[in-house]
Amino acid sequence: DTAVSQTPKYLVTQMGNDKSIKCEQNLGHDTMYWYKQDSKKFLKIMFSYNNKELIINETVPNRFSPKSPDKAHLNLHINSLELGDSAVYFCASSTTNRQTYGYTFGSGTRLTVV
Amino acid sequence: AQKVTQAQTEISVVEKEDVTLDCVYETRDTTYYLFWYKQPPSGELVFLIRRNSFDEQNEISGRYSWNFQKSTSSFNFTITASQVVDSAVYFCALRIAAGNKLTFGGGTRVLVKP
Repeated sequence: DTAVSQTPKYLVTQMGNDKSIKCEQNLGHDTMYWYKQDSKKFLKIMFSYNNKELIINETVPNRFSPKSPDKAHLNLHINSLELGDSAVYFCASSTTNRQTYGYTFGSGTRLTVV
Repeated sequence: AQKVTQAQTEISVVEKEDVTLDCVYETRDTTYYLFWYKQPPSGELVFLIRRNSFDEQNEISGRYSWNFQKSTSSFNFTITASQVVDSAVYFCALRIAAGNKLTFGGGTRVLVKP
């Protein structure tokens, strides 16, 4: 029943590894996002996909690569992890219906790079 | 570019006190949407309210109320008779109608002491 689900919830890994975070939404939304929350709680958008098409790509290292196999899924792959990548990553989805604009967030993935 | 400023980084109150969280936004767009989210200690982002730029009516929902003033570009949030369960980080956010991304303020941590 979870509207936006992301896995895993916690991820601890060593520097240099490659890891993926998966996200799925069952709301029928056509736009999905990845946000990063740093240690000071600041939330910033990383990517956005609309119907599998990349529409927002903020200044993010190219070690981060999103993939959207269909409009219900948006995964985030991170290569060569660095200490500074430690953060909470939130997946979100939204509708383009202006009457019901809203964003639903997943519960977050806490990534710790050691 | 859009910007959201939450000048108060942390507010501490005693239970049953009222607390007001300030939010000031900047945008050149005439149509936009403002949001408030709550992030409790468990970490998820909980949607509280969305307000359209063309609707300046204030809103009340239980102990929560919001004051939207376009003249001062502010969208303030008041918790009346605060409770310990209100302890969380609260985020104000902005989306322009022509865009997709949600721009967040830095958040205000509210600590309600018993």
